[in-house]
Amino acid sequence: QKEVEQDPGPLSVPEGAIVSLNCTYSNSAFQYFMWYRQYSRKGPELLMYTYSSGNKEDGRFTAQVDKSSKYISLFIRDSQPSDSATYLCAMKVTGGFKTIFGAGTRLFVKA
Amino acid sequence: NAGVTQTPKFRILKIGQSMTLQCAQDMNHNYMYWYRQDPGMGLKLIYYSVGAGITDKGEVPNGYNVSRSTTEDFPLRLELAAPSQTSVYFCASSPPGGGGVYEQYFGPGTRLTVT
Repeated sequence: QKEVEQDPGPLSVPEGAIVSLNCTYSNSAFQYFMWYRQYSRKGPELLMYTYSSGNKEDGRFTAQVDKSSKYISLFIRDSQPSDSATYLCAMKVTGGFKTIFGAGTRLFVKA
Repeated sequence: NAGVTQTPKFRILKIGQSMTLQCAQDMNHNYMYWYRQDPGMGLKLIYYSVGAGITDKGEVPNGYNVSRSTTEDFPLRLELAAPSQTSVYFCASSPPGGGGVYEQYFGPGTRLTVT
């Protein structure tokens, strides 16, 4: 079993839709939960992070962590064509150097 | 600030050849990393470094070597290239201190094909 599972998609939605991206994980020691966005032929860039459980909101983006279910989500409201990218979830334990990345979900937002 | 820079952008190698992928950062970050990204797979950690002179293996170190003689530079060496090393390679860095280690800044990547 992989430590982090993420559906690779692709996921195609119309402009303005609410997008839900998800990851599951098996290591209960993970404390940092990150979402990276990667545009085609570019390096990933950090979009949001959450420490431990709970929700975090930043503009149109909301990150949720449910540690009891070992499940994290990223919601994108009012999706835009510029949101078309691959979204990678990532996790690490406190004090560790190793970050475990999901496979990434490719998202297409159609105008 | 240029951030994290990588050279070359693209490279085609023949089986058995060697090469060095260059990585540099100008943000005075202590931590640096090398990843490879294959289609449909997540980023896999090859090597990492917590400071000049200190390196350690990640998940997939076989066939690679690294050195860290300065804070700024973290080159990745491929010896005896094999088709299995065809991938996109990303270098990343992160700032020192507990909270900052979660955020990594990535370079633009090097696309390597071994034939």
